[in-house]
Amino acid sequence: AQSVTQPDIHITVSEGASLELRCNYSYGATPYLFWYVQSPGQGLQLLLKYFSGDTLVQGIKGFEAEFKRSQSSFNLRKPSVHWSDAAEYFCAVGARSNDMRFGAGTRLTVKP
Amino acid sequence: GAVVSQHPSWVICKSGTSVKIECRSLDFQATTMFWYRQFPKQSLMLMATSNEGSKATYEQGVEKDKFLINHASLTLSTLTVTSAHPEDSSFYICSARDKSQGNTEAFFGQGTRLTVV
Repeated sequence: AQSVTQPDIHITVSEGASLELRCNYSYGATPYLFWYVQSPGQGLQLLLKYFSGDTLVQGIKGFEAEFKRSQSSFNLRKPSVHWSDAAEYFCAVGARSNDMRFGAGTRLTVKP
Repeated sequence: GAVVSQHPSWVICKSGTSVKIECRSLDFQATTMFWYRQFPKQSLMLMATSNEGSKATYEQGVEKDKFLINHASLTLSTLTVTSAHPEDSSFYICSARDKSQGNTEAFFGQGTRLTVV
């Protein structure tokens, strides 16, 4: 069965500092991997996705993620965090035509 | 990107009444739509998979008679919460996969905040 683990429930970083959000997955085959961001009371916005090819994926808002098959990880990174990045971040795994399984989410707080 | 519209954005209803939530794919056809429920400060939990023209597939523990799903066309799926109770209060989110894109990516609606009083 597919599953996603986000080990960090809550992370606080200072504005301008770098960020890394962890995501580990369990899947029987090569997964489709996603990172979404959710602001309070809002739906989900796709940051980036990995299907195949280059394991370093660039997304919107300056985010990137790296797929590491050996570690079953798909960590999200940003070199310099902005106050507007404060939100809930979800990692998800899915496959063609199937549903997506979400991690528990990581809440990001940005200190001035 | 493709747009999924969910309506209403929020609704308050009395206990015992039914509420219908619509999920529309505005600029693409969606053979499959998914309904999720999200409790405060928690992740999204899949409730059911809605397939156009056939019965929905419910996840274990989800009452199909309480959460009625209809997917009558390639652009519309509805979730009806029947005989709502306060414990049904939650954030409901739908997603749809773009058939023309090989169903590789899901697009999410903005969610519906349901409050049952």
